[in-house]
Amino acid sequence: TQLLEQSPQFLSIQEGENLTVYCNSSSVFSSLQWYRQEPGEGPVLLVTVVTGGEVKKLKRLTFQFGDARKDSSLHITAAQTGDTGLYLCAGRNQAGTALIFGKGTTLSVSS
Amino acid sequence: NAGVMQNPRHLVRRRGQEARLRCSPMKGHSHVYWYRQLPEEGLKFMVYLQKENIIDESGMPKERFSAEFPKEGPSILRIQQVVRGDSAAYFCASSPTRQGNNLNTEAFFGQGTRLTVV
Repeated sequence: TQLLEQSPQFLSIQEGENLTVYCNSSSVFSSLQWYRQEPGEGPVLLVTVVTGGEVKKLKRLTFQFGDARKDSSLHITAAQTGDTGLYLCAGRNQAGTALIFGKGTTLSVSS
Repeated sequence: NAGVMQNPRHLVRRRGQEARLRCSPMKGHSHVYWYRQLPEEGLKFMVYLQKENIIDESGMPKERFSAEFPKEGPSILRIQQVVRGDSAAYFCASSPTRQGNNLNTEAFFGQGTRLTVV
């Protein structure tokens, strides 16, 4: 069974701090996606990483895909209150028929 | 280009009633996925459909739940004889037609339907 473990489960920080959240699996994924979800809304796709070792930057967010394509990380520099939300990683199952999601990291950034 | 549209946004049903959740995918998307989300449990895959076909329903409960994606009209997730445990947020996602063996096609989510069973 393919599982994605995310850590930490909860993270509460002050504005301006840096943080990293992790997504790990014992399975290899052809790609991993990161989503951000706000309360009462659906997940919004942030990025897809495809190549082992790949690093993608989206303003203050840096996404990395592990060399073995089993793990990924999301680093946020100088967090802002608008970064508050649930961060989910997801990968396709082996059949390609569904996205498997981790349970997410709930980030709270206070001013 | 409108995003994935789900309705209703909120649905209240009494135990034993039926719940119908609708999802219109993004224009040009022919693949629809349904997920259920409970607090602190993450998004759980339920079913994957293409027009008029169920491709993967491995996440669907064996009883009371069904899904369809007709040639015309939205995809419907139907829950018969609802129970309190069915209360959750149900999300629909869509993706464009897969090209070849590309399994990296991204999925775009709707805003969800929050079902409350009283």
